[in-house]
Amino acid sequence: GQQVMQIPQYQHVQEGEDFTTYCNSSTTLSNIQWYKQRPGGHPVFLIQLVKSGEVKKQKRLTFQFGEAKKNSSLHITATQTTDVGTYFCAQQTAAGNKLTFGGGTRVLVKP
Amino acid sequence: DAGVIQSPRHEVTEMGQEVTLRCKPISGHNSLFWYRQTMMRGLELLIYFNNNVPIDDSGMPEDRFSAKMPNASFSTLKIQPSEPRDSAVYFCASSFWDTNTDTQYFGPGTRLTVL
Repeated sequence: GQQVMQIPQYQHVQEGEDFTTYCNSSTTLSNIQWYKQRPGGHPVFLIQLVKSGEVKKQKRLTFQFGEAKKNSSLHITATQTTDVGTYFCAQQTAAGNKLTFGGGTRVLVKP
Repeated sequence: DAGVIQSPRHEVTEMGQEVTLRCKPISGHNSLFWYRQTMMRGLELLIYFNNNVPIDDSGMPEDRFSAKMPNASFSTLKIQPSEPRDSAVYFCASSFWDTNTDTQYFGPGTRLTVL
């Protein structure tokens, strides 16, 4: 079945540093979405990427969709303690509105 | 808007008991999703509905699990009989599905503990 792999599973980041999490799929995606889940909370939608090579920014977060639409990345600059949480990518194929979530990258920030 | 509402927020029950989880989607949304989240298995889609009709229940673990959506504003997920391995956080999410966008809005979840 469809699978989306996220790496790394865990990311320990010093406050102020940058980091990147990656999402890879074995199939071509119609779009990819990113969600953030704070500890004890629920996933919250961040962004959707649709076009090949698309890059979108939200303040310190930069999201990119690969040219082949099989991978995506989330880059966070100048990490803050508010960035703590688990970041999920979720893939959606052309065959409907089902989302398949990756395993997530759990981010811990050291002050 | 109140967002997706789930009840109860916490449920502790004994093995063999029936458990019913409830969800009220965001008004106007036409898709509803049930997920289960555990440390071992991550976030898994159990079943989803479009316009109150079940579309894909391939994620439902076994016959002990059933889900219904009798109308656009209510859905239930039932486990009967419950087992300790069913302990997890169960999320309901809703969305308005059109051709290329499907942002899902998650409820706060129900934390289920089966003893």
